[in-house]
Amino acid sequence: DIQMTQSPSSLSASVGDRVTIACRASQGIDSYLHWYQQTPGKAPKLLIYVATTLQSGVPSRFSGGGSGTDFTLTISSLQPEDFATYYCQQGYSGPPTFGQGTKVEIK
Amino acid sequence: QVQLQESGPGLVKPSETLSLTCTVSGGSVNSDSYYWSWIRQPPGMQLEWIGYIHHSGSINYNPSLKSRVTMSVDTSKNQFSLKLLSLTTADTATYYCATKIDTPWSFDLWGRGTLVTVSS
Repeated sequence: DIQMTQSPSSLSASVGDRVTIACRASQGIDSYLHWYQQTPGKAPKLLIYVATTLQSGVPSRFSGGGSGTDFTLTISSLQPEDFATYYCQQGYSGPPTFGQGTKVEIK
Repeated sequence: QVQLQESGPGLVKPSETLSLTCTVSGGSVNSDSYYWSWIRQPPGMQLEWIGYIHHSGSINYNPSLKSRVTMSVDTSKNQFSLKLLSLTTADTATYYCATKIDTPWSFDLWGRGTLVTVSS
């Protein structure tokens, strides 16, 4: 299986901050990397797929980058509703695997 | 818009079999465009893909669970189902059904999830 490692595991930030989360794959996955946001008690929500494509309805302050093994999710100006846990997921080969999550907390 | 809703028991005993159903509304489980997946999340932990089924009969299970998993589609009820055998406490998790059009490998439609606790 392809292992996905996110960093950091958690971070504290303030409203308006720029936040970047990293995700590394244990082998090359081209651009088949997807990002999800999950708030407590809710199902994950797809934010970005194939590394850079913003899912319909997702605010433009979210952006994704990278290819191969190293990827990033950036929130340009953190909003109160963005405090959540973010997961990356590779869709390059089965089984699809997720990172351990990055929890974004209020400073 | 396709919507998904999981149903099943909230509490199951160790060694028993878990049976969950996902009801599809706003679309057809017979659609060629959708691969229907199950994903689980133990409390406070990361997500784990269990497997997918396509109405054509195409099935793909996570090798880590393959020996204990069976998935099926019921077109008459517009549902798909998961059976997980020989449960242990490690199977305690929120179970989600999920899908995305035209790919089995990402997920933009999710059910609300159902918490399954394995305990005697």
